[in-house]
Amino acid sequence: EVQLVESGGGLVKPGSSLKLSCVASGFTFSSYGMHWIRQAPKKGLEWIALIYYDSSNKYYADSVKGRFTISRDNSKNTLYLEMNSLRSEDTAMYYCAKATMGYWGQGVMVTVSS
Amino acid sequence: DVVLTQTPPTLSATIGQSVSISCRSSQSLLHSNGNTYLHWLLQRPGQSPQLLIYSVSRLESGVPNRFSGSGSGTDFTLKISGVEAEDLGVYYCVQGTHARTFGGGTKLELK
Repeated sequence: EVQLVESGGGLVKPGSSLKLSCVASGFTFSSYGMHWIRQAPKKGLEWIALIYYDSSNKYYADSVKGRFTISRDNSKNTLYLEMNSLRSEDTAMYYCAKATMGYWGQGVMVTVSS
Repeated sequence: DVVLTQTPPTLSATIGQSVSISCRSSQSLLHSNGNTYLHWLLQRPGQSPQLLIYSVSRLESGVPNRFSGSGSGTDFTLKISGVEAEDLGVYYCVQGTHARTFGGGTKLELK
């Protein structure tokens, strides 16, 4: 059974940093691209980052480019999202998703507030 | 950047009614490799999204065949042939031809 489990969220102040993790199981993690997608409270879905299976390519939404970094450790079956210079508008539920978005984690909440 | 416009934003239906949701792209979603990467997701209240249809018309494993997708280029449609109570929630189209973009969502509710 495919499972994606996010962690690392919480309440942080504007300007601070946070690193999210997504541990994958039930499939060959090293063979698939992975996404981070977020959803602000009562809003729609926003794609924010994609990493290829071998980390050879990374893509970002303009809203997070230069502040967020997606990475992965295939030896640990883990996807990461390092978030710097956080803003109030980054407050959202953050999801990791596999390849064509056939599998999603349960999400982790990030709240940026003073 | 590609913009996906979904209509209608809200859809009221009775159980058993057939409904359609439109997703229009600001650019063609036909990839240079010949594939069209337009997918449909459903997010039920309080849940993570789930994939229903991928590559325009391919039904994801385990998804009931009352769901169908069609379209090409810039215009795509999701059809539900006979709405059931479990179908209520917000439907999103998402494109994967030019990076990734989600549509704004269509909320399906009971009339």
